[in-house]
Amino acid sequence: GQQVMQIPQYQHVQEGEDFTTYCNSSTTLSNIQWYKQRPGGHPVFLIQLVKSGEVKKQKRLTFQFGEAKKNSSLHITATQTTDVGTYFCAGNGNNDMRFGAGTRLTVKP
Amino acid sequence: KAGVTQTPRYLIKTRGQQVTLSCSPISGHRSVSWYQQTPGQGLQFLFEYFSETQRNKGNFPGRFSGRQFSNSRSEMNVSTLELGDSALYLCASSLRGQGSYGYTFGSGTRLTVV
Repeated sequence: GQQVMQIPQYQHVQEGEDFTTYCNSSTTLSNIQWYKQRPGGHPVFLIQLVKSGEVKKQKRLTFQFGEAKKNSSLHITATQTTDVGTYFCAGNGNNDMRFGAGTRLTVKP
Repeated sequence: KAGVTQTPRYLIKTRGQQVTLSCSPISGHRSVSWYQQTPGQGLQFLFEYFSETQRNKGNFPGRFSGRQFSNSRSEMNVSTLELGDSALYLCASSLRGQGSYGYTFGSGTRLTVV
């Protein structure tokens, strides 16, 4: 069945450093979504990418969808302590949304 | 508008018991999906309901079941609880199903099985 792999599992950065998390699917996705879950909270929708090669930006966050629609990345420029949390990708391939295991980001001030 | 409401927030149950969790989606959303979140397994898809019909089901045993009512509220039931069922159960509401335009998650029900 469809699997969505996400790396790295953990990332610890110094405030001001950049951060990237990668997502790979075993099958072609119709779309991919990104979520952020703060410690003790629930996942919150960030963005959806639909088109092959699509790039979207939200302030310091840049999201990319691969040309083959099998991979995606989230890049955060100049991390801040408010970026702390777990970032999940979720891919829609076989009529359901499958989540990656998430990348847990910690930021040292 | 009101968000996704899950009740109860916390539950402690004994092995062998059964439990029912409730979810009220955002007004106008006809799809409700359920996910199990554990530290080791991440977010695992349980099932999705759309207009009272189960549209898709994940790889969970038959002890896990759900339903959706005409007002889009959904319940999930777990029978014969096992220790491994301890998890955060998240309900996700979406407009047309399959996470279209993004899920809105509830705060979850944290189930502890002892």
